[in-house]
Amino acid sequence: GDSVTQMQGQVTLSEDDFLFINCTYSTTWYPTLFWYVQYPGEGPQLLLKVTTANNKGISRGFEATYDKRTTSFHLQKASVQESDSAVYYCVLGVNSGTYQRFGTGTKLQVVP
Amino acid sequence: DAGVTQTPRHEVAEKGQTIILKCEPVSGHNDLFWYRQTKIQGLELLSYFRSKSLMEDGGAFKDRFKAEMLNSSFSTLKIQPTEPKDSAVYLCASRGTGGALEQYFGPGTRLTVL
Repeated sequence: GDSVTQMQGQVTLSEDDFLFINCTYSTTWYPTLFWYVQYPGEGPQLLLKVTTANNKGISRGFEATYDKRTTSFHLQKASVQESDSAVYYCVLGVNSGTYQRFGTGTKLQVVP
Repeated sequence: DAGVTQTPRHEVAEKGQTIILKCEPVSGHNDLFWYRQTKIQGLELLSYFRSKSLMEDGGAFKDRFKAEMLNSSFSTLKIQPTEPKDSAVYLCASRGTGGALEQYFGPGTRLTVL
């Protein structure tokens, strides 16, 4: 079945550090891949989305590239800020229209 | 446009009570989801509706959890009877039709069962 894997449960960085969060997926369908971000007290919200047509998504300084060969969809940012502290979810959607598969989430804490 | 609305934002219940959580999706969205979120289990799908028809009903939650879509703009999640292990944040989300579209989440209802 369809699945998505995030191995990093928590990441702690200092401001201006480089961020890299791993995500791998498995599906027999054409995937659409999402990163959602959740701030305390709020529901998750879309950060960026990538389809097989465009391969890369960029939003608010974050970037993710879809790699079909390695079935990966890592999230990265060159220089994190304290305001980026949140939980980040890698999500797999498939065009069959079923519900989307959420990863277990990575809690990012950025310290000044 | 209004986003997804959830009420109440907080609910405290005694063990054995019946509680009903409410959700209003984004206008025009055909798909509606209920999730449970805990620190240990993360996000777990409870129910998925498409055009008011139940498409997925999370197997582990069938016995005491029942979601309904009374019309295209209103959904409820009933937990009966509540147990302390039900303490969690319950999230509602909606989207247009299709797995390639983003979900819009509400702010959630934090349930505490004593």
